[in-house]
Amino acid sequence: DTEVTQTPKHLVMGMTNKKSLKCEQHMGHRAMYWYKQKAKKPPELMFVYSYEKLSINESVPSRFSPECPNSSLLNLHLHALQPEDSALYLCASSQAQDRRYEQYFGPGTRLTVT
Amino acid sequence: RKEVEQDPGPFNVPEGATVAFNCTYSNSASQSFFWYRQDCRKEPKLLMSVYSSGNEDGRFTAQLNRASQYISLLIRDSKLSDSATYLCVAHNTDKLIFGTGTRLQVFP
Repeated sequence: DTEVTQTPKHLVMGMTNKKSLKCEQHMGHRAMYWYKQKAKKPPELMFVYSYEKLSINESVPSRFSPECPNSSLLNLHLHALQPEDSALYLCASSQAQDRRYEQYFGPGTRLTVT
Repeated sequence: RKEVEQDPGPFNVPEGATVAFNCTYSNSASQSFFWYRQDCRKEPKLLMSVYSSGNEDGRFTAQLNRASQYISLLIRDSKLSDSATYLCVAHNTDKLIFGTGTRLQVFP
């Protein structure tokens, strides 16, 4: 079963709010990813966790803060976002952070910042 | 130059047609390649991994030409349900590099 789950499905938040996005997988994958996708554009990588350690931060602003509490869970904490941060936020996982392994995406959280 | 380039389309084809998508990549160090399909407002779903020898899965055939740094996806006997955006993806070192996607619309 190649399932990655994400909550919430939709989120509307004001620029002063703090919220969190959650991602979970039970495939035993050891690499997890956050992507941001704007309309009609491909996904853009934000963060990679490998074996629960932050492996890649693609120069993402500090108002986005990732956390990997354990090998199955990945969170993205949001604070003081801007309207231009409105997008689809996708979580993905793979067996390892290695070119041999495919990434499987969750359904995403559609975020609107007002 | 983008690392992975695709024709954005749209490709409008009738049901039953054969359609081919092409993709080029610029980083010769890229080792693995994939095709994902993405429906409107949904997540990308893995369609196929692409192997050097080429591979086929039902109506879908993927080919890789490392010398020309070129990847293709052939869809035979197109169905209405094939309408989607097809993303060509290369794996460089430690992350995926996405093309901008090719939009396919299959009409009755």
